[in-house]
Amino acid sequence: EIVMTQSPATLSVSPGERATLSCRASQSITSNLAWYYQKPGQPPRLLIYGASTRATNTPARFSGSGSGTEFTLTISSLQSEDFAVYYCQQHNNWPYTFGQGTKLEI
Amino acid sequence: EVQLVESGGGLEQPGRSLRLSCAASGFTFDAYAMHWVRQAPGKGLEWVSGISWNGDAVGYAASVKGRFTISRDNAKNSLYLQMNSLRAEDTALYYCARSSGWYEYWGQGTLVTVSS
Repeated sequence: EIVMTQSPATLSVSPGERATLSCRASQSITSNLAWYYQKPGQPPRLLIYGASTRATNTPARFSGSGSGTEFTLTISSLQSEDFAVYYCQQHNNWPYTFGQGTKLEI
Repeated sequence: EVQLVESGGGLEQPGRSLRLSCAASGFTFDAYAMHWVRQAPGKGLEWVSGISWNGDAVGYAASVKGRFTISRDNAKNSLYLQMNSLRAEDTALYYCARSSGWYEYWGQGTLVTVSS
């Protein structure tokens, strides 16, 4: 099983600032990585797939990068609606696995 | 509009069984793999099981292998999860999700509580 490790666990940022979230895979997953965000009481929402492709309706302030084992999600200028929990997920091999999440707080 | 609606959750005792269903609409169901993902209260996301478009390939998390069975009925646009030998640690919100590897569409989830 591929283990996904996200850092930091919690990130405190002010609106308008830039946020950088990291995700590491225990073995190479090439570019088969997705990012989601989740707000309380809601299902996760897809932001990025294939490590860097924005999903439909994902704002341009979100960007993904990386390949192999190291990945980054960058939010260029935080808006109030962006404060949530973010998860990475590898879709290279079953069992697909998620990181433990990064809580982005004000 | 793509819709995924889960049902079948509830309170069940340890060792008993539950069958979850997911009704899909708004897309060509038999063109996609479908998966179950769960989230224990206050915890992160855990992949549970997946099934290929035609049911020929299935996979399970180690935590549920041998106890849960995934299936689908393409004629009814439905996905199922048979959950046997339930444990307290199976308590979670269970989501069905349409898979292209990643999950663009999720249901709202059905809550399973395992407790005596």
